[in-house]
Amino acid sequence: AQTVTQSQPEMSVQEAETVTLSCTYDTSESDYYLFWYKQPPSRQMILVIRQEAYKQQNATENRFSVNFQKAAKSFSLKISDSQLGDAAMYFCAYRRGSGSRLTFGEGTQLTVNP
Amino acid sequence: GAGVSQSPSNKVTEKGKDVELRCDPISGHTALYWYRQRLGQGLEFLIYFQGNSAPDKSGLPSDRFSAERTGESVSTLTIQRTQQEDSAVYLCASSLGWTSDYEQYFGPGTRLTVT
Repeated sequence: AQTVTQSQPEMSVQEAETVTLSCTYDTSESDYYLFWYKQPPSRQMILVIRQEAYKQQNATENRFSVNFQKAAKSFSLKISDSQLGDAAMYFCAYRRGSGSRLTFGEGTQLTVNP
Repeated sequence: GAGVSQSPSNKVTEKGKDVELRCDPISGHTALYWYRQRLGQGLEFLIYFQGNSAPDKSGLPSDRFSAERTGESVSTLTIQRTQQEDSAVYLCASSLGWTSDYEQYFGPGTRLTVT
């Protein structure tokens, strides 16, 4: 079975600074996708960024980028120029290439200090 | 366009009662998922519907849990004889297709409290 581990229950960052959230996963599959989701207090899950395992290039979306280390099964999220609106719970998630369910980590609560 | 909607937003029920939670997916989305999120934890997969195929029920925690979906529209998650450990946020998601290149769009969830 696939597992996703987030070892940082809480992180904090100063506004305008950079923060990195860690995620490791375990799978025997070769075709899979990895995701970072943001969950603000409204409970709405918002997709931040995704990475296809077959792509060597790290995904980027504006201030958000990932460091995907396939051999190490590591998938970290870097948030640059942190903004107050980035404060939320962040979840790392895995999905097999053939689809169906998402498997989530336990989450990291990010606080952004003004 | 409208996103995934869920009702009720919050539900408080007494232990032993049955509850029904509703999910309205995005129009045209053939795949629908239910997840459970216990306090301070990540989401756990419960059940998945794809078109007219048999649902994947492998995540349902007990036979007290069941779900239905009519065609490619509304889904209801039913919990019978609720227990305190059922207290959680129940999130629904839908996607245009079932493969991983289709994004899952989440609803705002139903917070269930069993007293």
